[in-house]
Amino acid sequence: QSALTQPRSVSESPGQSVTISCTGTSSDVGGYNYVSWYQQHPGKAPQLVIYDVSRRPSGVPDRFSGSKSGNTASLTISGLQAEDEADYYCCSYAGSYTSNVFGTGTKVTVL
Amino acid sequence: QLQLQESGPGLVKPSETLSLTCTVSGGSIGSSHYYWGWIRQPPGEGLEWIGSIYHSGTTYYNPSLKSRVTISVDTSKRQFSLNLSSVTAADTAVYYCARHGALWFNGDYWGQGALVTVSS
Repeated sequence: QSALTQPRSVSESPGQSVTISCTGTSSDVGGYNYVSWYQQHPGKAPQLVIYDVSRRPSGVPDRFSGSKSGNTASLTISGLQAEDEADYYCCSYAGSYTSNVFGTGTKVTVL
Repeated sequence: QLQLQESGPGLVKPSETLSLTCTVSGGSIGSSHYYWGWIRQPPGEGLEWIGSIYHSGTTYYNPSLKSRVTISVDTSKRQFSLNLSSVTAADTAVYYCARHGALWFNGDYWGQGALVTVSS
């Protein structure tokens, strides 16, 4: 069970958009519409920002959006704000025997 | 507001068993809608799903840890627990408990995390 592949880091200026990719296989990301995304600030617990590929929990700004194509899921943050600087992790269902696998994590820097 | 809180020893010796408990407040652990999971994060590294339990006691484990992990639930105490046996330094991590709304992990409520160090 290998971790899903994410870019190590992305950076962009305030007000711009960033997209983080999460690449898996047909056994996880590509096989199920059950990808979630988490934001984690230093020293804090992760916080859910997207679930079921593109659904947003209440209270999460609509600047956060998710999508999926084939074996790759993506998280887009539009109108980037300083408070969005954090680590982001994807997670995908991988079937009843493997269950759940996280991505390697991406550090988002707001320039 | 639902709250989760991890508790247990912060230091465990190699080859011994790591034991943590997650206490749930502000909601029922026996709800048929939710699963309760454990996730860990070694210092400076990424997240790893350890396993989850349904209120009925049905468990789901990460295959890479399955031989060493036991998760149990006590609905009367609003607690679920993690036991990880035969620990090594590689098991040093912050351990989080979380609630998720389906068999697939979509953790909407998390505990603050508990650092467990494996060292003699």
